[in-house]
Amino acid sequence: AQTVTQSQPEMSVQEAETVTLSCTYDTSESDYYLFWYKQPPSRQMILVIRQEAYKQQNATENRFSVNFQKAAKSFSLKISDSQLGDAAMYFCAYGPLRGATNKLIFGTGTLLAVQP
Amino acid sequence: DTEVTQTPKHLVMGMTNKKSLKCEQHMGHRAMYWYKQKAKKPPELMFVYSYEKLSINESVPSRFSPECPNSSLLNLHLHALQPEDSALYLCASSSPAGRSLSDTQYFGPGTRLTVL
Repeated sequence: AQTVTQSQPEMSVQEAETVTLSCTYDTSESDYYLFWYKQPPSRQMILVIRQEAYKQQNATENRFSVNFQKAAKSFSLKISDSQLGDAAMYFCAYGPLRGATNKLIFGTGTLLAVQP
Repeated sequence: DTEVTQTPKHLVMGMTNKKSLKCEQHMGHRAMYWYKQKAKKPPELMFVYSYEKLSINESVPSRFSPECPNSSLLNLHLHALQPEDSALYLCASSSPAGRSLSDTQYFGPGTRLTVL
């Protein structure tokens, strides 16, 4: 069975600085999706970034980028030039590419605080 | 447009009430999901509809009854709930027709449910 682990329950970063959130996962599949979702106190889960496992290039979305290490089963999120609006709970998630189920497997989340 | 809407935003109900949560998307997605989320925890999958048919039921108690009247609409009917059912209920959708059902899930803003 697939698992997702986020080992940092809480993180803090100064405004304008860079922070990296860690995520590791376990799967026997070779093709899959990985996601980072952000959930601010307003509660809506917002997609931050998506990575297809068959793509070697790391995904980037503006100030957000990932370091995807397939062999190590690691998928960290880097937030550059942190802003107050980045404060939120961040969930890493694994999604199967194929199969009978399209169930996402979530990590336990990392609560990010941004200090002014 | 990646919008999923949910109504109501907040709901307070007694244990003998019957109420319904509503979710709507107009992105042509063919998979829709209900999740339950407790504070500071990841979402827990409850139900998945694929092409308007129930494909996953994660052993949810029968006091929760999902319904998918058409490809854009998803309801969750509630009856005889318990105080421990108080949570944020999130709806999500994914997969335009012709794409993998495991494609990116987009979430609605949620309904905050309180059971007295």
